[in-house]
Amino acid sequence: DTAVSQTPKYLVTQMGNDKSIKCEQNLGHDTMYWYKQDSKKFLKIMFSYNNKELIINETVPNRFSPKSPDKAHLNLHINSLELGDSAVYFCASSLGRGSQPQHFGDGTRLSIL
Amino acid sequence: AQSVTQPDIHITVSEGASLELRCNYSYGATPYLFWYVQSPGQGLQLLLKYFSGDTLVQGIKGFEAEFKRSQSSFNLRKPSVHWSDAAEYFCAVGGYNTDKLIFGTGTRLQVFP
Repeated sequence: DTAVSQTPKYLVTQMGNDKSIKCEQNLGHDTMYWYKQDSKKFLKIMFSYNNKELIINETVPNRFSPKSPDKAHLNLHINSLELGDSAVYFCASSLGRGSQPQHFGDGTRLSIL
Repeated sequence: AQSVTQPDIHITVSEGASLELRCNYSYGATPYLFWYVQSPGQGLQLLLKYFSGDTLVQGIKGFEAEFKRSQSSFNLRKPSVHWSDAAEYFCAVGGYNTDKLIFGTGTRLQVFP
């Protein structure tokens, strides 16, 4: 009965590869987010979708491409991975827009060799 | 500019002692304020939120926070800390007219028996 689930939990890959992270929420929320947490625990918003529409698109390299097939799913695809992409990526969801409380997944730890 | 400052990077307390974690914000409109907790290897969990009304808000796990507009602060308190409270704590600010939460850099709480 996990509310926000991300797969995989760990991702170890080499520079230059392409990888995807999947996120699903079963809370019936309309809005989903991707965050990046660096090694110093700093948490930064990357993208947000509301009912499959992109509403937040921060200054992120265009190697990162989110996709929301429906409002319960938000995936993140990363092309040509670089060392600096190593981080923990969190998916979150909220009911509606406008700074609502967010529910977070357990994160995907991405390590680039 | 909108920002959140958590002045204490690391706090150590003894089990049973009282706790106060500081949070100061800068926000151009009426702020929505949140405290989240992150245990190792997990995502963020909402402890409490302030949107309006009573400036002293109660949250889960025995935590409370007080909004002080004059001091631009939203400090988190707990009267008696348990060893299980050891975690990273994040303060965040948003508003009714934004979809984005700005997170502080976090305070790591260590609890000694």
